[in-house]
Amino acid sequence: GNSVTQMEGPVTLSEEAFLTINCTYTATGYPSLFWYVQYPGEGLQLLLKATKADDKGSNKGFEATYRKETTSFHLEKGSVQVSDSAVYFCALEVGYKLSFGAGTTVTVRA
Amino acid sequence: GAVVSQHPSRVICKSGTSVKIECRSLDFQATTMFWYRQFPKQSLMLMATSNEGSKATYEQGVEKDKFLINHASLTLSTLTVTSAHPEDSSFYICSARKGRGEETQYFGPGTRLLVL
Repeated sequence: GNSVTQMEGPVTLSEEAFLTINCTYTATGYPSLFWYVQYPGEGLQLLLKATKADDKGSNKGFEATYRKETTSFHLEKGSVQVSDSAVYFCALEVGYKLSFGAGTTVTVRA
Repeated sequence: GAVVSQHPSRVICKSGTSVKIECRSLDFQATTMFWYRQFPKQSLMLMATSNEGSKATYEQGVEKDKFLINHASLTLSTLTVTSAHPEDSSFYICSARKGRGEETQYFGPGTRLLVL
């Protein structure tokens, strides 16, 4: 079956620190990979995506590269801000079905 | 934009009663809507997929008679939890997809259900 494993949180960082959230997956077929973000009190929003191996998704300073050889899609940001405090979900899609990781809560302190 | 709303945002009900949750796409027509359930500190689990005007497709292990889904129009899907019990308490999230080549799912803010 399809599954996603992501780094457990919570993660607490200082502003301008480097953020990495690890994500690995198991999938049948050729999945698309996603990172979603959920800000407090809001619904999930698509942060970035990659549809094939070696693709790099990027948005708002966040990046993730689809690594087929290591079945990974780690999320990185070089300098976080307080406004990046949220829950981050790694997900894969096969067909139209999304499978999510458990989510990682990130808190950025000023 | 692509905004999806849910109503109510939270509901408390007595055991044995039924609860209806609405999911609306506010500024687009959704060919497909999805219903997810999220337990505390766990990932979202897909419950069912609904297409406008047709019966919902339920994931394995999800009771279709327990969780009734109606997708009456291109902007509205409803999830009814029938004869709710405390174990049905959870966070229910819907998403909607425009279709027509755009595959992104747009998520609602979720509904917190507490069954006493």
